[in-house]
Parts: sequence; C-alpha cells; structure tokens
Amino acid sequence: DAGVIQSPRHEVTEMGQEVTLRCKPISGHDYLFWYRQTMMRGLELLIYFNNNVPIDDSGMPEDRFSAKMPNASFSTLKIQPSEPRDSAVYFCASSSPRSKRETQYFGPGTRLLVL
Amino acid sequence: RKEVEQDPGPFNVPEGATVAFNCTYSNSASQSFFWYRQDCRKEPKLLMSVYSSGNEDGRFTAQLNRASQYISLLIRDSKLSDSATYLCVVEPSGGSYIPTFGRGTSLIVHP
Repeated sequence: DAGVIQSPRHEVTEMGQEVTLRCKPISGHDYLFWYRQTMMRGLELLIYFNNNVPIDDSGMPEDRFSAKMPNASFSTLKIQPSEPRDSAVYFCASSSPRSKRETQYFGPGTRLLVL
Repeated sequence: RKEVEQDPGPFNVPEGATVAFNCTYSNSASQSFFWYRQDCRKEPKLLMSVYSSGNEDGRFTAQLNRASQYISLLIRDSKLSDSATYLCVVEPSGGSYIPTFGRGTSLIVHP
C-alpha cells in the first residue's frame, strides 16, 4: 500500500486566496483525520470522519475552514479566504479501529504558507 | 491544565546514553496510550503502543502509571538516529475516538 497520500506537498499563496488540500487515505481505513501543526500550538485535530461522515469538527478554527469526504478514498480540506495565520503543516491521517491498537497512519503533510 | 503535557526539551545526550521522557495526562478515563516519533520535517509515525503491564521493543521501553496518570518512554544505548521529537498520544474511552497529542519532547543525540 502506498500509505496516506496528500497533495500538494507545498503550497504558497497570497492572503485571501482559496486553498484546497487533498488526501487519499489507506484503502480499507474507515477513519480519516485532518490535523494542523505549528510550532506554537503543536499538533491540533481539526476534524475527523468515520465512514465518510464528519463526526467531530470542533477543532476547525472558524468558518473559513471546511472539509469534505465524498467517498472512502478522498477527502479535502478547504480554506477560503486564507490568512497568514493559517500557515502551518496540515496532516491527514487514517486508521481502522479493527486493526491492531488503532494506529493512525499519517500522510507526508502539506506545508502551507500564506503571504 | 493541558490534557497531555510533555517537557519540550531538548534533551541533549551523548551516544550510548539512557534517556527517559514522561508524559502526563489529565483524563483519568483515558483508555489507550501511544508514543509516536516525528523526524524533522516529516510526519509522525507510531513508535510503540503503551500497555498497562509495560512493554519493551528492543532499546525502547514504555510504561504506564494509571494511578499517577503518566506514561514514560525509556531509550537505552541512544543512537544518533534516535534524534527526533517524541509525541505522547492519549485516547479516551467510551467510544469517543479523539486522540490527543502532546506537544512532543525533542531528543538530540550527539557523537
């Protein structure tokens, strides 16, 4: 398996622009997580899905952030409009509770810089 | 009090040294515990799960102390390649599948 795939790996954009981050979870995993990591706040859970349904989005910072999972193999995290404080590394992770110890597998992340 | 707390370090140790990290958690109902490792500019990866009875994987030993609500990670005979950030992860019980990550402890192993 290729693992969790994220794209793009790097994104540089200007304030006010729309940013869309993409994630393909590991096949067969029914949980998908979106995290944001910064030096100041560490790794923060933004939202997670179970069987394509959003379960908890309490970590989403504000209405500018939205996430979708139209099918089991694809999810997006959208920021519109983007702001400089959104600059961070965004990780997608997937897991299956039926697997051993519910390990989360992370993608390589998307490094976002908003100018 | 933060849900999961770790000393950020850095812990700067010579090769061959033994080093230990602790992580405290606030939710006494927490069910599952893990240590993840994150290399610079990489994603976190599972290092090991932490079982109630303690567990060992080569040079790495993880222990859980439910009474004091902390978990520990011991690394023996440190290698240069052990240099990384070690993240403590706690998951609650009761069907709420929301893991909480600590901020991580930075380890630097020098020659």
